[in-house]
Amino acid sequence: DIVMTQSPDSLPVSLGERATINCTSSQSVLYSSNNKNHLAWYQQKSGQPPTLLIYWGSTRESGVPDRFSGSGSGTDFTLTISSLQAEDVAVYYCHQYYNYPLTFGGGTKVEIK
Amino acid sequence: QVQLRQWGAGLLKPSETLSLTCAVQGGSFSGFYWSWIRQPPGKGLEWIGEINHSGYTKYNPSLKSRVTMSVDTSEKQFSLRLKSVTAADTAVYYCARLSSSSTWGQGTLVIVSS
Repeated sequence: DIVMTQSPDSLPVSLGERATINCTSSQSVLYSSNNKNHLAWYQQKSGQPPTLLIYWGSTRESGVPDRFSGSGSGTDFTLTISSLQAEDVAVYYCHQYYNYPLTFGGGTKVEIK
Repeated sequence: QVQLRQWGAGLLKPSETLSLTCAVQGGSFSGFYWSWIRQPPGKGLEWIGEINHSGYTKYNPSLKSRVTMSVDTSEKQFSLRLKSVTAADTAVYYCARLSSSSTWGQGTLVIVSS
């Protein structure tokens, strides 16, 4: 199984400041045939199902604000919220769909400092 | 815009079989894989498995011996059965399409308790 490790577990950030979440996979999720990273980021607000923010490592889902961005390749990835808003308080998960079983990171809880 | 509506029993006794169904509304059923994912209270996400419109399945090896997924293409529904449940299977269960334009059901809390 590909193990997804996120850091930090908890991230207090002041409103308007940058939030950076890291995700490391135990093996590369860069698929050579399409040169795409099979890595997604989800946001889960309290009591709700997760919603997709980013796929292919850096492609923003339709309707997602541009303050959310994804970067990285291979085994190391980052989700950045450029200017934290109150509505961004949530748990964020990275997710690999490179191979089976599909796996998720343990989550990073973003809160207001 | 596709939506997923799910239902099933929320309270089970140990050794019983969990049974959930998910209906795909407002979008195409074919050409996608449909997943089940669970989340124990206060914990992270675990992928259970997926099925396509032809009934082709992929299961998480950690649950494979107890999981069965099925599909009803005419109704645009897919189902999950998990047998011999224990307290460790207590979780919110979600149906989902995990591709781009990902869509999730509302979730069903399943509690296993004697």
